Amino acid sequence: EAQVTQNPRYLITVTGKKLTVTCSQNMNHEYMSWYRQDPGLGLRQIYYSMNVEVTDKGDVPEGYKVSRKEKRNFPLILESPSPNQTSLYFCASSLRPEVHNEQFFGPGTRLTVL
Amino acid sequence: AQKITQTQPGMFVQEKEAVTLDCTYDTSDPSYGLFWYKQPSSGEMIFLIYQGSYDQQNATEGRYSLNFQKARKSANLVISASQLGDSAMYFCAMREDNFNKFYFGSGTKLNVKP
Repeated sequence: EAQVTQNPRYLITVTGKKLTVTCSQNMNHEYMSWYRQDPGLGLRQIYYSMNVEVTDKGDVPEGYKVSRKEKRNFPLILESPSPNQTSLYFCASSLRPEVHNEQFFGPGTRLTVL
Repeated sequence: AQKITQTQPGMFVQEKEAVTLDCTYDTSDPSYGLFWYKQPSSGEMIFLIYQGSYDQQNATEGRYSLNFQKARKSANLVISASQLGDSAMYFCAMREDNFNKFYFGSGTKLNVKP
């Protein structure tokens, strides 16, 4: 089944404790992206990747890191999480962004930073 | 300036009636794409419809149509014959082809009344 998977789905952590949210897609998509969703703000793009070893900042990259060592995986790293990073996080992928291609979204990861 | 503006935080519609969800966008990129996504209470993001900036005709997908008015920079979603299952949050989004970034609006929560 074609899908984007994220792990964990739920995470409660404390300030400053490094964490990684994994994202994997099995559709051979080139483009992958991370978003955070906050009430009243919609989704905001954190980072995106056009292909392996190619990553770029979205609108809200501060406090986050990403890597794209393999085409299928695009982990999101919070080196020193803070309470303002409490949010719902989505990973998404698509074939190529510049043509008509919808983004396929993962199920979301709800992160709470205490 | 906001890239995507959705001015209706919440809307009600009677079952079987049509409803229009507003979306305006702001870009100087001549090539862009416009998307609508549905997010039910379960949280997943469901792609509904796409309109390219160079498409001459308004996009339609079943009961969904996109009313694209390029000069006014608006991309309203029209849902015909509303169903109870249409109750959800709806997000308008834009992709700027020059930068391959995505922007989402703050969303409209639609409630369909029986």
